[in-house]
Amino acid sequence: TQLLEQSPQFLSIQEGENLTVYCNSSSVFSSLQWYRQEPGEGPVLLVTVVTGGEVKKLKRLTFQFGDARKDSSLHITAAQPGDTGLYLCAGRYTGTASKLTFGTGTRLQVTL
Amino acid sequence: NAGVMQNPRHLVRRRGQEARLRCSPMKGHSHVYWYRQLPEEGLKFMVYLQKENIIDESGMPKERFSAEFPKEGPSILRIQQVVRGDSAAYFCATQGGNEQFFGPGTRLTVL
Repeated sequence: TQLLEQSPQFLSIQEGENLTVYCNSSSVFSSLQWYRQEPGEGPVLLVTVVTGGEVKKLKRLTFQFGDARKDSSLHITAAQPGDTGLYLCAGRYTGTASKLTFGTGTRLQVTL
Repeated sequence: NAGVMQNPRHLVRRRGQEARLRCSPMKGHSHVYWYRQLPEEGLKFMVYLQKENIIDESGMPKERFSAEFPKEGPSILRIQQVVRGDSAAYFCATQGGNEQFFGPGTRLTVL
């Protein structure tokens, strides 16, 4: 069974602070995606990373894929209340066709 | 959520009843994935279907759960004789290239 660990589980910070969320596995991903989910809604795709060492930026969000393609991180700079939500990483493991394995999520709350 | 439609959005059933959840993928997409999300947990893969075929059902419970994706019409996830432990949010997703796009989900509550 492939496990995808996400940390921290909960994060409460003030507006303007920086934060990093981590996603780790013992197995190699063929690709990895980050989603954000609002209460009562489905996950919304933020980014897909495929190449080891890849870094992608989306405004104040920076996504990094580990060189060995077993881990990833999401860094948010100068967090805003609108960043509040559940952040999920989801990996597609080599040899498992198309299904995604999700991490348990990081619930972020950004207060004024 | 990129045009993936699910209905109903909320479904309440009593123990022992049947639940039918529907998913209409984005236009032109013929692959559907179903995931289940228990409260305060991440999503767990259930089943992957193409039109008229089940490709991977490794995440489906062995009993009471079934899924189909007919040639015409939406994909349906059917849960027979529901129990309280089936209460969860059920999401479907469609695939575009390397990425999966999710619908808004059906929240099933079993009384």
